[in-house]
Amino acid sequence: ETGVTQTPRHLVMGMTNKKSLKCEQHLGHNAMYWYKQSAKKPLELMFVYSLEERVENNSVPSRFSPECPNSSHLFLHLHTLQPEDSALYLCASSQDFSGGETQYFGPGTRLLVL
Amino acid sequence: KNQVEQSPQSLIILEGKNCTLQCNYTVSPFSNLRWYKQDTGRGPVSLTIMTFSENTKSNGRYTATLDADTKQSSLHITASQLSDSASYICVVSAPVGGANNLFFGTGTRLTVIP
Repeated sequence: ETGVTQTPRHLVMGMTNKKSLKCEQHLGHNAMYWYKQSAKKPLELMFVYSLEERVENNSVPSRFSPECPNSSHLFLHLHTLQPEDSALYLCASSQDFSGGETQYFGPGTRLLVL
Repeated sequence: KNQVEQSPQSLIILEGKNCTLQCNYTVSPFSNLRWYKQDTGRGPVSLTIMTFSENTKSNGRYTATLDADTKQSSLHITASQLSDSASYICVVSAPVGGANNLFFGTGTRLTVIP
């Protein structure tokens, strides 16, 4: 339940604001992920970090900027977002980066861009 | 076209009744298939995982089946409880490196009513 935490849980921001989402995992995992979840769409993988190095970047607009200072923390910096960026942003971690391992998800940050 | 299709999109059942959720996929080759449960306001939690050689896996009142020949999986919930109200997401892994080998369904929204 508390293996992966995310803050804030809810965020409302204007298109000119700059904000950051934070994720922390307490599971000793080596890989961390950012996903975007929009209504009636599959989860969209945004970024993957393995041992603090970015290994996947799925053509995400530059207004989303990830940061992984260590294997336990992951940030998503947001600036000049668009209303269509409103969604649930989920962080996940897994023991290693192999794609087939169970991912443990945080509760998500519900983002609304006005 | 999404490579993982789930049906129905939503389902309402009475407490105590059984239900079955469907997942059809076109991912090939295939490594494993997982069912996740996502409660409202929470991140997904893994329920079951099956490799291509397994055709059934149980987790309490949840039983997943897999037919790798027809590329279909189902999640059967027995004696439903109000706490089963959630979205159920089917995730298929392909046996290639990287996290982009994960294919997510859009989920089935289950509501259990008293």
